[in-house]
Amino acid sequence: GNSVTQMEGPVTLSEEAFLTINCTYTATGYPSLFWYVQYPGEGLQLLLKATKADDKGSNKGFEATYRKETTSFHLEKGSVQVSDSAVYFCALADSGAGSYQLTFGKGTKLSVIP
Amino acid sequence: DAGITQSPRHKVTETGTPVTLRCHQTENHRYMYWYRQDPGHGLRLIHYSYGVKDTDKGEVSDGYSVSRSKTEDFLLTLESATSSQTSVYFCAISEQTGIAGDQETQYFGPGTRLLVL
Repeated sequence: GNSVTQMEGPVTLSEEAFLTINCTYTATGYPSLFWYVQYPGEGLQLLLKATKADDKGSNKGFEATYRKETTSFHLEKGSVQVSDSAVYFCALADSGAGSYQLTFGKGTKLSVIP
Repeated sequence: DAGITQSPRHKVTETGTPVTLRCHQTENHRYMYWYRQDPGHGLRLIHYSYGVKDTDKGEVSDGYSVSRSKTEDFLLTLESATSSQTSVYFCAISEQTGIAGDQETQYFGPGTRLLVL
C-alpha cells in the first residue's frame, strides 16, 4: 500500500536558518505529492505540490522537488521566519492506482525562535 | 480560501450518545472527505464522497457513517460515541477540472474538536 514517511520532530531553528524537512514515499502508481502546513488552531493549508517526476513545487519561499529515483519530496526554505512556525505534512495521492485519496505523513512540528 | 465551514467547531459529549458533524461548502466541488487527526498519526481518512448519495469507506471507518444528500453538505455521524473517537475532525473538498493534479488537491475546513467523556 501507499505510505509517507517524514522526519520526526520537533524541529527548532533560529530565525534565518536553512530548513529541510525530509519526506519519502511508497506508492504503487504515479503519485502527486503535496506539502500542507497547519498553523496552531487552524486547518491544513496547501503549501505546494508536484504532479510528476522532476517537477518543483514552490510557494512562500518554500520549495520541494519530486525525485522519483529516490522516492523523495523534501521541503526546503533558505531563511525561515518566526511566522513559519507550524506543523508540516507531506502527502501523496496515487491517481495512477485509481484513487485520489491523500495519504499523509505524521507531520513535523517546526518552531522558529527569534 | 476555499469556502468550507464545519459545525460545531467544538463539542463535548458523553460516551454512548450520537453525534453529527456537518461540513458545508460553497465551491460546488464534487468530492468531499472526512479525516480525523490524532497525535502521532497525522490525518487518517474516515469516509469520502464522490457525488450526491455516493460515498465510500476510508482507512478508519469503523464506528462512523456519512451522508450526502446535497452537493454542499457532507455529514459525519458517530452512532454511539466512544472515548477513542475523541479527536479533531477535518472536512476537505476537491474537484476534477481536467488539469493534472487538481482532483488530488484537497482544501480543508477549520476542523471540529470533539471530546467524548
